Amino acid sequence: EDQVTQSPEALRLQEGESSSLNCSYTVSGLRGLFWYRQDPGKGPEFLFTLYSAGEEKEKERLKATLTKKESFLHITAPKPEDSATYLCDESNDYKLSFGAGTTVTVRA
Amino acid sequence: GAGVSQSPSNKVTEKGKDVELRCDPISGHTALYWYRQSLGQGLEFLIYFQGNSAPDKSGLPSDRFSAERTGGSVSTLTIQRTQQEDSAVYLCASSPGAGAGELFFGEGSRLTVL
Repeated sequence: EDQVTQSPEALRLQEGESSSLNCSYTVSGLRGLFWYRQDPGKGPEFLFTLYSAGEEKEKERLKATLTKKESFLHITAPKPEDSATYLCDESNDYKLSFGAGTTVTVRA
Repeated sequence: GAGVSQSPSNKVTEKGKDVELRCDPISGHTALYWYRQSLGQGLEFLIYFQGNSAPDKSGLPSDRFSAERTGGSVSTLTIQRTQQEDSAVYLCASSPGAGAGELFFGEGSRLTVL
């Protein structure tokens, strides 16, 4: 069965301390790798879609990259407002398989 | 409104009662999903609709759970004879077309079964 594994489970950063989150997938025939952000008490909010190895997408302090087996979400010089749970999921036709997420806490 | 709307936002019920959760997707979105998120857990897929049809009901935890969608729009998730383990946030999402892609999520319905 297709699976998505995210690491680490939790990440505590000092403001300005850059880091990366990992999303490994084992899907055959990837149709898209998606990143979402979820704030407490809210539904997930779409960030990026990546379709092919080597592809990169950027939004403010976030950059998502994709290889044949994993995706990284790089957070550059994070601010406290970047604190959230970041979810990745892969698309195989219609069914999405979300990872458990990485909870990022950025301290001022 | 422009986004996915879910109601109620909070529901507290007694064990054994039935509950209905409603989802209003973004107008024109043909695909609709229900997910469940327990405290501190990831998203658990429940059911997917394309139009009014549900080609995949495999995620429904038991026969106490059912869902329907009418007019290609509003969907209702019904939980019969609720149990304490049903307590969770139930999230609805919609997307413009068939095939998973960018999902637009609602704020969720938090269900607490006493």
